[in-house]
Amino acid sequence: NAGVTQTPKFRILKIGQSMTLQCTQDMNHNYMYWYRQDPGMGLKLIYYSVGAGITDKGEVPNGYNVSRSTTEDFPLRLELAAPSQTSVYFCASSTAGLAVTYEQYFGPGTRLTVT
Amino acid sequence: DQQVKQNSPSLSVQEGRISILNCDYTNSMFDYFLWYKKYPAEGPTFLISISSIKDKNEDGRFTVFLNKSAKHLSLHIVPSQPGDSAVYFCAASSNAGGTSYGKLTFGQGTILTVHP
Repeated sequence: NAGVTQTPKFRILKIGQSMTLQCTQDMNHNYMYWYRQDPGMGLKLIYYSVGAGITDKGEVPNGYNVSRSTTEDFPLRLELAAPSQTSVYFCASSTAGLAVTYEQYFGPGTRLTVT
Repeated sequence: DQQVKQNSPSLSVQEGRISILNCDYTNSMFDYFLWYKKYPAEGPTFLISISSIKDKNEDGRFTVFLNKSAKHLSLHIVPSQPGDSAVYFCAASSNAGGTSYGKLTFGQGTILTVHP
């Protein structure tokens, strides 16, 4: 049981380039989330998904896109990288619960630098 | 607008003593609170949680206290161990209306250092 895995671990992008951050979970969780963490700051929610085919924006969605074609995978797409997107990105998953909060399980993160 | 605040960026404690990490929130709709621990180059891991219907939850060396009237919660670690040295994040969610989908709002984190 690997939990939540993310690839790549590190990436350097040039301004204007595109990339996809991969996230996979093997816990059969319906809910998945993407966060970014800037230095000295807490985690901010970018996008989330409550099941295959269903996604919605979080607090800081601009410059990002997501898709959820399977329960296991939740990739995050950066179309035109900007220096403001330099951050550490975390993917997380949790059990579904409409009126209940369950703890989220996090991946190890992807450190992205845009220069 | 920082809805969840951890005003102490760092805390240094001697091994064996108590560590107290604090968290304040402004959104009165928050009704579930969690603490996460994060080591360098790893993702956050869940530590302990508390529902707003309780004022205390204990799990081994870790206890979380909730003061709803003050919109304040704290994490107590007793006794502190060097392996507890990490960044601790407070997080909150609102289940009102049944549409929160487990979304969490995080504080900025507190770096705890436990000295041997």
